[in-house]
Amino acid sequence: ILNVEQSPQSLHVQEGDSTNFTCSFPSSNFYALHWYRWETAKSPEALFVMTLNGDEKKKGRISATLNTKEGYSYLYIKGSQPEDSATYLCASINNAGNMLTFGGGTRLMVKP
Amino acid sequence: EPEVTQTPSHQVTQMGQEVILRCVPISNHLYFYWYRQILGQKVEFLVSFYNNEISEKSEIFDDQFSVERPDGSNFTLKIRSTKLEDSAMYFCASSAQTVGNEQYFGPGTRLTVT
Repeated sequence: ILNVEQSPQSLHVQEGDSTNFTCSFPSSNFYALHWYRWETAKSPEALFVMTLNGDEKKKGRISATLNTKEGYSYLYIKGSQPEDSATYLCASINNAGNMLTFGGGTRLMVKP
Repeated sequence: EPEVTQTPSHQVTQMGQEVILRCVPISNHLYFYWYRQILGQKVEFLVSFYNNEISEKSEIFDDQFSVERPDGSNFTLKIRSTKLEDSAMYFCASSAQTVGNEQYFGPGTRLTVT
């Protein structure tokens, strides 16, 4: 059973601040790492899928990096806006199958 | 933009009853999944489904649970003889391919067992 952990659990920032949070996962038998953005009462929205060590992906002000050797991924948000307020989930897949194992999420709140 | 839909949004049932949660995946997707989140806990994988059969299931997915794709569009999760601890948010997801592909999630069905 994979153990995926995210930190911090929650984060309050001011509008305009840049922020980042961490996802750690077992590096053995790693296949892919997914990031999701989940707003209350909505569907989790896929942000990134990363597979290769050193991968960096970007979507607007949000970017992510991946280190498969040490088992961590960072998600960065540049110039946070109130609409970025959401829970950010990461999930890992190992090469034994296709099930996502989720971390507990980081709840981001951006104050105007 | 295509999306995964789920019905109902909230289901209340009595302990011991059977419930069926319904999902309509994105139409050209081939892989289907159910996850659940018990309040305050992590999202947990239940089952994946491909080519009309279960491709993977977790320890949670025991004989109490079953999945079906009864027609070309619906994907259902049946929970027999519900227990209090089955109360959770149940999410359906679909993907075009497996593993490295994004999974698109529905908004969830909140199941409350009383």
